[in-house]
Amino acid sequence: DSGVTQTPKHLITATGQRVTLRCSPRSGDLSVYWYQQSLDQGLQFLIQYYNGEERAKGNILERFSAQQFPDLHSELNLSSLELGDSALYFCASSTSGGGTDTQYFGPGTRLTVL
Amino acid sequence: GIQVEQSPPDLILQEGANSTLRCNFSDSVNNLQWFHQNPWGQLINLFYIPSGTKQNGRLSATTVATERYSLLYISSSQTTDSGVYFCAVETGGFKTIFGAGTRLFVKA
Repeated sequence: DSGVTQTPKHLITATGQRVTLRCSPRSGDLSVYWYQQSLDQGLQFLIQYYNGEERAKGNILERFSAQQFPDLHSELNLSSLELGDSALYFCASSTSGGGTDTQYFGPGTRLTVL
Repeated sequence: GIQVEQSPPDLILQEGANSTLRCNFSDSVNNLQWFHQNPWGQLINLFYIPSGTKQNGRLSATTVATERYSLLYISSSQTTDSGVYFCAVETGGFKTIFGAGTRLFVKA
């Protein structure tokens, strides 16, 4: 158990809908990362937050947004969902997120868009 | 952007055998990590190793940053080692780039 929690574990929804994925980092970790894992794209970095502020942005679509709250939990919002958004979404956390520490991954949320 | 290449893409071992997985990266990095994704999908951190050598039980890793590669050694493999092994690097822009992974199957 990494100490990172993600909810829900599974999510099934329809095209055009909007969903919210939630992540709670390990106790004491200030940085949260979001990743998407799909069969054709592999593991892709989406976005990183550090202590409530966006630090780095990767291959995140404009239909997706994220935020980190004062209690350090984070939410990833996916809107206008398409079939191709079906994937495993991981959250990870680290102590400082300055590029020099270990990332610990949550169990993931499996999103299926029908 | 930085390219991360892992080899081999697939590996089948008999239980008890040793193996070496390789990760090449095309530019200097601030951070390099090795992860194991088990058959249930969980990503587990194995090593944080931007340079040098580390060992943890039957696993060890070496990163030669000046030559832009890292190696993961698995000795006396067990069926529970099966899964996908990923190398991930962090660039100066705080972005983490994953390789495509090496899929390992250990036969009993």
